[in-house]
Order: sequence, then structure tokens, then C-alpha cells
Amino acid sequence: EAGVTQFPSHSVIEKGQTVTLRCDPISGHDNLYWYRRVMGKEIKFLLHFVKESKQDESGMPNNRFLAERTGGTYSTLKVQPAELEDSGVYFCASSPWRNYGYTFGSGTRLTVV
Amino acid sequence: AQKVTQAQTEISVVEKEDVTLDCVYETRDTTYYLFWYKQPPSGELVFLIRRNSFDEQNEISGRYSWNFQKSTSSFNFTITASQVVDSAVYFCALSEAARNTDKLIFGTGTRLQVFP
Repeated sequence: EAGVTQFPSHSVIEKGQTVTLRCDPISGHDNLYWYRRVMGKEIKFLLHFVKESKQDESGMPNNRFLAERTGGTYSTLKVQPAELEDSGVYFCASSPWRNYGYTFGSGTRLTVV
Repeated sequence: AQKVTQAQTEISVVEKEDVTLDCVYETRDTTYYLFWYKQPPSGELVFLIRRNSFDEQNEISGRYSWNFQKSTSSFNFTITASQVVDSAVYFCALSEAARNTDKLIFGTGTRLQVFP
């Protein structure tokens, strides 16, 4: 089975620009998660989708971040406008059930300059 | 509040040595799950194990073993006869079953370097 796919793998943008990250979960996985690791810090939760609904978005840092999951399939995470502190690695993960153990993607490394 | 502490930032060993990665957690819930993930140089996070709070049996999978002790709130990971391919960053994580989401609280990770 194909794993969790994220693209782009790297993105370098200027402060104030917009970037959209995409995640394709494993087919049939209702649960989709976004996490990020800012330089030198721990991996932190952003949000959790169950199908197309946001189950928990308590980790979203501010309203510059917008996540969607169209039709309960792939998900996008848009940062608009990007700030320097948004730089980091953004991970997506999916799981068929809660507390089962996620399958993570390889991440998108975002650099805001 | 939930918290996961991995006090060892970096560990270096020579191949064939045994190595233990420590993980200490804090939670007020009685039902929770603990996980270990491996992040090799390629960057993805690879699921290694899940343990629920009611199962304190140690687990062994090949050269990997896990020691879960509720009395000390620890979930330590041991690699026996380490190999160069074990070089990676290892993360311990916690989720609380009572909540409406299974979001993970991660430790800061332990970088393991295995030298030939």
C-alpha cells in the first residue's frame, strides 16, 4: 500500500507570501493529522481531521493557518501570510482508528526568508 | 498537564553495544497510550510500538525491547547489539484516550549514533 505522501518536500518562500502544503493520506484512513517541528523544538500537534471534519484544531498557532480536507481525502495546509517563525518541518500522518499508531509522511521543510 | 521527557539529547555507541533510550511521561489520566517513533536520516517518522496504560508487560521485537513501568512513569527503549542502521532520532510520545482526539505529545527526541 502507498504511504502518506506530502509535497512539496521543500519550500522556500519570502516573508509575506503564501504557501500551501499538501498531504495525501493512506487510502481509507479516516484520521488525518498535521504536526510541525520548529527548529530545535519538539514536534507539536496542529490539528486532527476525521474524514472531512476538524476533530481538534487546538494546536493551530493563529489564523494565518488554514487547513482543509476536501471530501475526506487529501488535505491542504495553507499559511498566509507566512512569517519567519513559521519555518520548520510540517508532518502529516494518517490512521484508520484513534490510538492505533499513525503512519507519517516524510514531511515538508518550509523555510521563510 | 501532559508531558514527555527524553533527557538524553544524543547518545553515541559502537556497533554491537546495547543502548537504552529513556522516556518519562506525565499525565493525569488513567487511560493513555505510549508510542515510540524512529526518524532516520531520510526524515519520515516510523512507528515502532504502541502500549496502552493497562498493559505493563515488556515487549520484545527482534533486537528491540521496551520496558513500561507505571510506578516510575517510564517507557524505556532498548536496542540490543546495535547496528549502524539504527542511527536515527527516536521520539517517545503520549496520547490520552479520554479526549476526543488522539493527538500525540512528543518528547524532544534522542539522537542515536551507532559507529562501526
